[in-house]
Amino acid sequence: SQQGEEDPQALSIQEGENATMNCSYKTSINNLQWYRQNSGRGLVHLILIRSNEREKHSGRLRVTLDTSKKSSSLLITASRAADTASYFCATFKAAGNKLTFGGGTRVLVKP
Amino acid sequence: NAGVTQTPKFQVLKTGQSMTLQCAQDMNHNSMYWYRQDPGMGLRLIYYSASEGTTDKGEVPNGYNVSRLNKREFSLRLESAAPSQTSVYFCASTDLVADTQYFGPGTRLTVL
Repeated sequence: SQQGEEDPQALSIQEGENATMNCSYKTSINNLQWYRQNSGRGLVHLILIRSNEREKHSGRLRVTLDTSKKSSSLLITASRAADTASYFCATFKAAGNKLTFGGGTRVLVKP
Repeated sequence: NAGVTQTPKFQVLKTGQSMTLQCAQDMNHNSMYWYRQDPGMGLRLIYYSASEGTTDKGEVPNGYNVSRLNKREFSLRLESAAPSQTSVYFCASTDLVADTQYFGPGTRLTVL
């Protein structure tokens, strides 16, 4: 079973708009990470937020974490066609030293 | 610095055949992982190796075996391939300081 579940499963927006996707998880975590996967490629790490952090920024990315609700969100501002990809959240627990991935959100940015 | 490399990129097997997927990393990472990704889904952990000389089962280990040959290399073996093992296989390694994973480009496996 997957620890993280993303919502929505798919998202279609126009270039320049913001894209928001959510991730919910079930058990306590040490950190939560977001990855991007371009079609046919491996995953690329985007950003990590620790359990004691509430918000983090990296360029056009903004991640929030609410441990009381066991949820996170990823916001991509001013989207570009190159942001078209699948985005996955992954939860990390130090015990076991492994990540558990959600099912992903497929984002299409139309030029 | 090539990061994580995987061979082969593509493979077609017949049911019952065996094969080994190779993975190597040049980042001096201690931990390595094998995942499978089925169409439209996230990654599921098959096996992982927290350090050289150790391996542990993940979420979906049945039908697979692994070998941590040395710190750089972690191979995945299918002893008797089944159509249900048709998938894309990704290898990854972890930078323990940052807890982030670095992924290889994947092996697309089809079992007929």
